[in-house]
Amino acid sequence: GAVVSQHPSWVICKSGTSVKIECRSLDFQATTMFWYRQFPKQSLMLMATSNEGSKATYEQGVEKDKFLINHASLTLSTLTVTSAHPEDSSFYICSARLEASGGELFFGEGSRLTVL
Amino acid sequence: QKEVEQNSGPLSVPEGAIASLNCTYSDRGSQSFFWYRQYSGKSPELIMFIYSNGDKEDGRFTAQLNKASQYVSLLIRDSQPSDSATYLCAVKWGAGSYQLTFGKGTKLSVIP
Repeated sequence: GAVVSQHPSWVICKSGTSVKIECRSLDFQATTMFWYRQFPKQSLMLMATSNEGSKATYEQGVEKDKFLINHASLTLSTLTVTSAHPEDSSFYICSARLEASGGELFFGEGSRLTVL
Repeated sequence: QKEVEQNSGPLSVPEGAIASLNCTYSDRGSQSFFWYRQYSGKSPELIMFIYSNGDKEDGRFTAQLNKASQYVSLLIRDSQPSDSATYLCAVKWGAGSYQLTFGKGTKLSVIP
């Protein structure tokens, strides 16, 4: 299957700092990527849809000024958590859509963020 | 509100038995249904997907879809301890949508 890579896999930061997470499709181009957040024992919650060359579409309740998404190329989307707070600590997972296979989604390995 | 419901479990089965995982969804217009496996601390990996009513088999896994009952299930035959994980059901609501809505997952434990 297609490979999606996320970096970093885990990060610890101080409250008030910003953290950038990268999501790359390694062997295919992805015009659409999705960012999810998963709290312990909860399901994946879609945060936003990242569209190459245009603005991201955010789900209701997700602050676009806090969670900055940039999809500057067909293989890279980034999520920046600005002014992070302890309640932002979570498992952030990206997925990319492989159009050639009918739109199947492939997930990155996830990035665990801990805000102290 | 489009919802995907799963029993959180844990579901415990002995090694070699059949594990049956169930999922219901709220929107009759749903198009595609996916089963993902998620090990603790890892991201989900796709097991299989199903679009049409009936059964779809892939190795030890069988997905069953009943659109009239808004019900999709996953059967795991000859369960192995390595199958112990949380299984997430995901639904794609419409043909033009690429977003998936996930259930909370069912935790499966296969007892050696």
